[in-house]
Amino acid sequence: GAGVSQTPSNKVTEKGKYVELRCDPISGHTALYWYRQSLGQGPEFLIYFQGTGAADDSGLPNDRFFAVRPEGSVSTLKIQRTERGDSAVYLCASSLYGGLGRTEAFFGQGTRLTVV
Amino acid sequence: DQQVKQNSPSLSVQEGRISILNCDYTNSMFDYFLWYKKYPAEGPTFLISISSIKDKNEDGRFTVFLNKSAKHLSLHIVPSQPGDSAVYFCAAAPSYNTDKLIFGTGTRLQVFP
Repeated sequence: GAGVSQTPSNKVTEKGKYVELRCDPISGHTALYWYRQSLGQGPEFLIYFQGTGAADDSGLPNDRFFAVRPEGSVSTLKIQRTERGDSAVYLCASSLYGGLGRTEAFFGQGTRLTVV
Repeated sequence: DQQVKQNSPSLSVQEGRISILNCDYTNSMFDYFLWYKKYPAEGPTFLISISSIKDKNEDGRFTVFLNKSAKHLSLHIVPSQPGDSAVYFCAAAPSYNTDKLIFGTGTRLQVFP
């Protein structure tokens, strides 16, 4: 497809388990973003990649969260020792060059993570 | 500390009328402001943006107004259509970090026939 694809759509995991969330950005987009949306809140910035490198990871809440983009395309958000407070919709977005304030970002449909 | 605030969680408007969605911000360093629209089970989609050097930007039925002195922006949709029913998020970013958008909590707009 031509859009941003996120898998899985839904993930239910037990507290303490490890999860991986995958994002396939639009082909050719150098910038990739992860956001998290909790119930009743707006999306909250987690991390921004420019190419293969994390240009800004200041939004990652703690060291249980980690993200990679080894080939500058697909990205994986990894959460260790999940907690119930991690339950949210995790959104991925990509843009051609970056600079979301000036250029359009395209969001995926999100992965709904539920930690029980 | 909510830097971008959308104080109306919901808004109901009749088809054909004007919808006005409001957004307030606290950080005077914000230079770029955007509106995103979100349908259920979909990701947000970009709608319209404005930079701090302007006070108005128009795109078809959508107009965004920026009042820098009041730290307030609004999105006007006219005429409203049932397909506009969605959650609308206001977002902002400073010029020194335009990749870290700060979103408001959203306003759910319902346009009824």
